[in-house]
Amino acid sequence: GDSVTQMEGPVTLSEEAFLTINCTYTATGYPSLFWYVQYPGEGLQLLLKATKADDKGSNKGFEATYRKETTSFHLEKGSVQVSDSAVYFCALRGNDMRFGAGTRLTVKP
Amino acid sequence: GAVVSQHPSWVICKSGTSVKIECRSLDFQATTMFWYRQFPKQSLMLMATSNEGSKATYEQGVEKDKFLINHASLTLSTLTVTSAHPEDSSFYICSAYQGSEQFFGPGTRLTVL
Repeated sequence: GDSVTQMEGPVTLSEEAFLTINCTYTATGYPSLFWYVQYPGEGLQLLLKATKADDKGSNKGFEATYRKETTSFHLEKGSVQVSDSAVYFCALRGNDMRFGAGTRLTVKP
Repeated sequence: GAVVSQHPSWVICKSGTSVKIECRSLDFQATTMFWYRQFPKQSLMLMATSNEGSKATYEQGVEKDKFLINHASLTLSTLTVTSAHPEDSSFYICSAYQGSEQFFGPGTRLTVL
């Protein structure tokens, strides 16, 4: 079945550092890919998405490119802020939604 | 965006009791809602799909008699954990689609003593 694998955390960075959270997937067909963010005490919020190969999703300085050849959808941000501290989930939607295990990011001032 | 709420946000109960969790779509109607379970440091696991006016569809391995789902209106789905045990302690999250986007509730943390 479809599945998502994302890098284990936790990830701790200093403010203004570069962020990469790796995500790879296995799926039949052509799924849509998502990154969700979960702030403490809140539900998941859609951060960005891409619906077909080579699409780049971007929002709030984060971006991820749908790479069919490497079955990847890595999340990147050039300069993280303390307010980016949260748990990030990679997900795909094929026949249903599948989520990665989540990566906790802590950004220190 | 659309808002999905859950109540309560946390609950502690004794083993053997039942607990009801509500999921509401506040500003839209949802004929289908989804219930997930999230274990610490793990991903969301889809438990069941709640269908308004009909029976819920449960994922393999989820006990339908233990996790009772009722979707009585277009804005409310309830999950009742019956005869709860400590292993049922988890974070339960509901979601609903508005258009093509999925919106999640803030979750309910259940602790069974």
